[in-house]
Amino acid sequence: DAGVTQSPTHLIKTRGQQVTLRCSPKSGHDTVSWYQQALGQGPQFIFQYYEEEERQRGNFPDRFSGHQFPNYSSELNVNALLLGDSALYLCASSPGATNEKLFFGSGTQLSVL
Amino acid sequence: AQSVTQLGSHVSVSEGALVLLRCNYSSSVPPYLFWYVQYPNQGLQLLLKYTSAATLVKGINGFEAEFKKSETSFHLTKPSAHMSDAAEYFCAVSDRRTPLVFGKGTRLSVIA
Repeated sequence: DAGVTQSPTHLIKTRGQQVTLRCSPKSGHDTVSWYQQALGQGPQFIFQYYEEEERQRGNFPDRFSGHQFPNYSSELNVNALLLGDSALYLCASSPGATNEKLFFGSGTQLSVL
Repeated sequence: AQSVTQLGSHVSVSEGALVLLRCNYSSSVPPYLFWYVQYPNQGLQLLLKYTSAATLVKGINGFEAEFKKSETSFHLTKPSAHMSDAAEYFCAVSDRRTPLVFGKGTRLSVIA
């Protein structure tokens, strides 16, 4: 079992650019959640996808958008990057929209210059 | 709204000593509580969780935590620290379906 896999592991962008991060959930999981972890902070919830729809959303601007594919994998898109978007982006998957069996990937480290 | 406060951003213990990491929560509904560990350059790994069953919860790697409603606390303990326990620890609160709300984390250092 490969667990939750994220790509790429590291990414460097400049302000104003757009970025796409990818996540493949753990086998048997159909729900994907995205979290942003700034340096020295705990993870903050961005949004959750289930049945290819955004089900819950945290306090993030519309520049942050996502998608879930029929195979349950997911993408996180961030437009018009700001320096403050530099963070570790974590993907978590679960069987259904429950927190009891949430598995996290190793994350994508995004640096915005 | 739910929130978590982790007391102490950095805790240092000697190898073999007791580990105590403090977490207080705020929740308007019966909470689910979690402790996660994060090693450098890695994601989060679930140590243990409280989901309204037994108040003393045992997790992996010898860690345990006790839910105390009267004190709104969920402190993490381990009787004897190992060097491999050095990591960042996060407490989180939720109910069954709302997103996890994390604390700012506590960095545990273990001194030989």
